[in-house]
Amino acid sequence: LAKTTQPISMDSYEGQEVNITCSHNNIATNDYITWYQQFPSQGPRFIIQGYKTKVTNEVASLFIPADRKSSTLSLPRVSLSDTAVYYCLVGGDTSYDKVIFGPGTSLSVIP
Amino acid sequence: ETGVTQTPRHLVMGMTNKKSLKCEQHLGHNAMYWYKQSAKKPLELMFVYNFKEQTENNSVPSRFSPECPNSSHLFLHLHTLQPEDSALYLCASSQGQGSENEQFFGPGTRLTVL
Repeated sequence: LAKTTQPISMDSYEGQEVNITCSHNNIATNDYITWYQQFPSQGPRFIIQGYKTKVTNEVASLFIPADRKSSTLSLPRVSLSDTAVYYCLVGGDTSYDKVIFGPGTSLSVIP
Repeated sequence: ETGVTQTPRHLVMGMTNKKSLKCEQHLGHNAMYWYKQSAKKPLELMFVYNFKEQTENNSVPSRFSPECPNSSHLFLHLHTLQPEDSALYLCASSQGQGSENEQFFGPGTRLTVL
């Protein structure tokens, strides 16, 4: 499983766009990039997943450059309720693919 | 509601007690997971089951004993735990094993070992 690196923490004001970048230099050809959100004392929740270029859903956008060695989660116009830890995972779909949640990025949204 | 339920939600036990955590998923998934999350720490993967077979044991002490009687149920049997085992224990399920598969998490069991 490709190791990922993210900023430990970020602060943002309400209404701003937040971009969280994850580095995964050793990503394999078959690996997907998946982002989860976790609120305190709750289990993580899937946000978005992509393989290349750009993916958008009702919650976020995911930008993946051509070399796929990094990815950026974009949260448009954050609110206080977006304060959470965001995890980037990289891996495929095999029984040999370990699922590893790193430290994640703790996002604090300020009024 | 994620389709994954866990009981109990809170558990306080002494070091000599034996207790069990239960997880049930109503999603028709084939893979189930136990995670441990200590205060302000990342999730630690403990066990993985795929089609009822254990496929991963992440060097977990033997005082934690998992059981997966079928693809919908997962148990974590606890005995002679230590205070440092106090944590949030999360169960998750996914259609298949591997990071590509979206995991659905239960609400967790908050365990306190006295």
